[in-house]
Amino acid sequence: DAGVTQSPTHLIKTRGQQVTLRCSPKSGHDTVSWYQQALGQGPQFIFQYYEEEERQRGNFPDRFSGHQFPNYSSELNVNALLLGDSALYLCASSRTDGTPYEQYFGPGTRLTVT
Amino acid sequence: QKEVEQDPGPLSVPEGAIVSLNCTYSNSAFQYFMWYRQYSRKGPELLMYTYSSGNKEDGRFTAQVDKSSKYISLFIRDSQPSDSATYLCAMSGGYNTDKLIFGTGTRLQVFP
Repeated sequence: DAGVTQSPTHLIKTRGQQVTLRCSPKSGHDTVSWYQQALGQGPQFIFQYYEEEERQRGNFPDRFSGHQFPNYSSELNVNALLLGDSALYLCASSRTDGTPYEQYFGPGTRLTVT
Repeated sequence: QKEVEQDPGPLSVPEGAIVSLNCTYSNSAFQYFMWYRQYSRKGPELLMYTYSSGNKEDGRFTAQVDKSSKYISLFIRDSQPSDSATYLCAMSGGYNTDKLIFGTGTRLQVFP
């Protein structure tokens, strides 16, 4: 089992550009959550997808959007990038009938906005 | 005020020391309490979890939850240089796949 995978590992974008990050969940998992971790901070919840619908959302602007595909993989899109969007973006997968501690994190995508 | 407060450290201890990491929280609805370990430039990995109040031990690690004080702790006995990492506390409500609320993380360095 490959666990949770994310791509790309690292990318650099310019202010105002748009970016798409990808996540493949652990085998058997149907729910994907996205977190943003700024340098020196803990992860902050962005949103969660289940059955291709956004189920929960944290306190993030509409510039952050997502999608879940029928195979449970997910994308995170960020429009009109700001310098403050520079962070490690983490994907966590889980089963909808699981427990809160059964969320498994991927290695993250490090986004740098210049 | 943040929902979860955690001293960011850094904490530097000699090998073999007992390490105490702590978090406080304000939301009495939290039912699950987790500790994650995060190595540099990696994703967090679950170390221990506790449901509601009480203690839980796993090898060199002990997790404690005091819901009356809204205070949780992680103790690491006989610390090793390989324990050097950032330790994140996280909390969640009582239903399935609820979002996790993290502390800032405490950076721990164990020197030989």
